[in-house]
Amino acid sequence: DVVMTQSPLSLPVTPGEPASISCSSSQSLLHSNGYNYLDWYVQKPGQSPQLLIYLGSYRPSGVPDRFSGDGSGTDFTLKISRVEPEDVGVYYCMQALQTPFTFGPGTKVDVK
Amino acid sequence: QAQLVESGGGVVQPGRSLRLSCAASGFTFSSYTMHWVRRAPGKGLEWVALLSFDGTKKDYADSVRGQFTISRDNSRDTLYLQMNSLRGDDTAVYYCARGSHRNYDSSGLDFWGQGTLVTVSS
Repeated sequence: DVVMTQSPLSLPVTPGEPASISCSSSQSLLHSNGYNYLDWYVQKPGQSPQLLIYLGSYRPSGVPDRFSGDGSGTDFTLKISRVEPEDVGVYYCMQALQTPFTFGPGTKVDVK
Repeated sequence: QAQLVESGGGVVQPGRSLRLSCAASGFTFSSYTMHWVRRAPGKGLEWVALLSFDGTKKDYADSVRGQFTISRDNSRDTLYLQMNSLRGDDTAVYYCARGSHRNYDSSGLDFWGQGTLVTVSS
C-alpha cells in the first residue's frame, strides 16, 4: 500500500499570512497519462470533509483561489496564499493512484 | 445539487453486523464510482472501500477486507456498506462520497454525505 506522510502535523497560522502543508508518498503518484493522483481535503470542525484540490493542482469550482496545489511524483504542497479565520480545520492529502486509496495523517490548522 | 444522505448507524455489540445506506440525489448516481470513508474518534480519515459505477470493480482497505462488503442498487440510487463481525476499532463516523464519473478521469471525492455514527460497544 502507498504510505502518505504530512508535515507539519500542527500548524498555527495568522490570518492574512500565507501557509503551506507538505505531503509525501512512498511511491510516485505520477501516472503515465501525466497526471498526479493526489487530492487535498479539509475537514472543518463539525463538518464533513470537502475537496480542495484534485489531480495535484486542479481546484474544483467553488473552492477559493487562495488555495493552490503543486508538486509531482512523491512530493506535494498545499498552499494558502492568505489564511482566513474560516480555514481552520484538519487538512489531508490522499493518493488516488492505486487501491487501497490512502490518506495522510492530517495537519491541524488553527489560528494563533 | 448533488446530495448524499447516510443512514443505518447506531450502537451495536461486538461481533454483530450492521448495514449502512447512502441515498443519492441530484446527479446520475449510476454514472459514478462511490466510496466509503470513515473517521474514528480522535483519529484521521481512513478510506474504506470503493465500488465502480456498474458494480464491476470494488476494493477495500486492508483493515476491513473480508469483513465489510460494499454494494449498490442503481435502480434505487443507493450505496450500501455491509459490516460484519464488528469490533471496537470499527467505531467511527462513516461517510459516503462521490468519486469519478464513468467517462472522465479522477476528479477527487467531490461530494460527501453528513456521515453516520457507528459505535461498537457492549
